[in-house]
Amino acid sequence: DQQVKQNSPSLSVQEGRISILNCDYTNSMFDYFLWYKKYPAEGPTFLISISSIKDKNEDGRFTVFLNKSAKHLSLHIVPSQPGDSAVYFCAASVTGNEKLTFGTGTRLTIIP
Amino acid sequence: DTGVSQDPRHKITKRGQNVTFRCDPISEHNRLYWYRQTLGQGPEFLTYFQNEAQLEKSRLLSDRFSAERPKGSFSTLEIQRTEQGDSAMYLCASSRDSQETQYFGPGTRLLVL
Repeated sequence: DQQVKQNSPSLSVQEGRISILNCDYTNSMFDYFLWYKKYPAEGPTFLISISSIKDKNEDGRFTVFLNKSAKHLSLHIVPSQPGDSAVYFCAASVTGNEKLTFGTGTRLTIIP
Repeated sequence: DTGVSQDPRHKITKRGQNVTFRCDPISEHNRLYWYRQTLGQGPEFLTYFQNEAQLEKSRLLSDRFSAERPKGSFSTLEIQRTEQGDSAMYLCASSRDSQETQYFGPGTRLLVL
């Protein structure tokens, strides 16, 4: 039962353009969402998070949007840079429960 | 470097052997988590500690797996009688407190032959 889904295994974007990564979830109890970035042979690196009381959170080039009614969130990266090439994981949790539930990841490739 | 560290980074073992991994969390982080990641999947939760107390264990954690955090600082994850299906990346994360961001270490890649 995949409670967090990233339906696009890969995405290629031209340098300087916007990258949009999508994530859907099925568990309506989830109220905290995070995006992690992972390079090969390294652990996931935290990027940005959002609580369910918000619908948008911004940090530099990264913006996360949350649509609770659609159980959907997205990560926007603008402008995209070559160093952004990595696997991006969406994760979710329920307040009071410590575990993170991850999606399967989207491999982002930025084309110079 | 004050991040989460894990040792070893790589481990190759034969089926049936026991292995032990170590995780050192970020200093002053009370919470420590173990996850496992297999190829093509996201990390899956195994267990977590609040200081030295183990508060939750996933059903993924069979009785061959045991985790400890004896003094509320570093943690060890032991797998007894390893099986080929145990081959995975074992990730450790820590956070300051409940509902705070979890920061991950580089992982220990286990290969069981």
